[in-house]
Amino acid sequence: DADVTQTPRNRITKTGKRIMLECSQTKGHDRMYWYRQDPGLGLRLIYYSFDVKDINKGEISDGYSVSRQAQAKFSLSLESAIPNQTALYFCATSNGGYEQYFGPGTRLTVT
Amino acid sequence: KNEVEQSPQNLTAQEGEFITINCSYSVGISALHWLQQHPGGGIVSLFMLSSGKKKHGRLIATINIQEKHSSLHITASHPRDSAVYICAVRPTGNQFYFGTGTSLTVIP
Repeated sequence: DADVTQTPRNRITKTGKRIMLECSQTKGHDRMYWYRQDPGLGLRLIYYSFDVKDINKGEISDGYSVSRQAQAKFSLSLESAIPNQTALYFCATSNGGYEQYFGPGTRLTVT
Repeated sequence: KNEVEQSPQNLTAQEGEFITINCSYSVGISALHWLQQHPGGGIVSLFMLSSGKKKHGRLIATINIQEKHSSLHITASHPRDSAVYICAVRPTGNQFYFGTGTSLTVIP
């Protein structure tokens, strides 16, 4: 079984809808991250969390919110989706070292 | 401002060719991470290195911390090596910085 899972894997939604992307991990890592990937821009950090009570904004947090429900679960919400939030979203975990472990990604399309 | 720069952005090679992908960074780091993103989107770890060279099968990664440069080499390239290769660094602090990736296509 995968160590980092994301649901859904693909989602098409309409402008203005609220949507939640979920991430779960079995690696036992404290640190979890949400990134978005756009063609030509690489991975950009949206939010990160070092434990259940610690949430931090990344470079592109506007329009997004997160919830760390447990050490193993970190959810990303788009309160009112807009078309320029169409992207590939990745969750990742880290044990504080230099490696990150990525989920399979969620392809989100906002029409 | 990009803390991590990769070159080339796109690379097409014939099967069997020796391939080099470069990564330069502007921040002080202790280690660098090479990642592979498959055409389906998933990202997997290839190497984490802090000095010298590491080898795994046909892949070799080198790093020069003083020159802030790393290279990823693929020997005897194969079509299944076609992917996007990404380098990432984590300076002191909490965030990782990623290159925009090198898209490799290996033609049979």
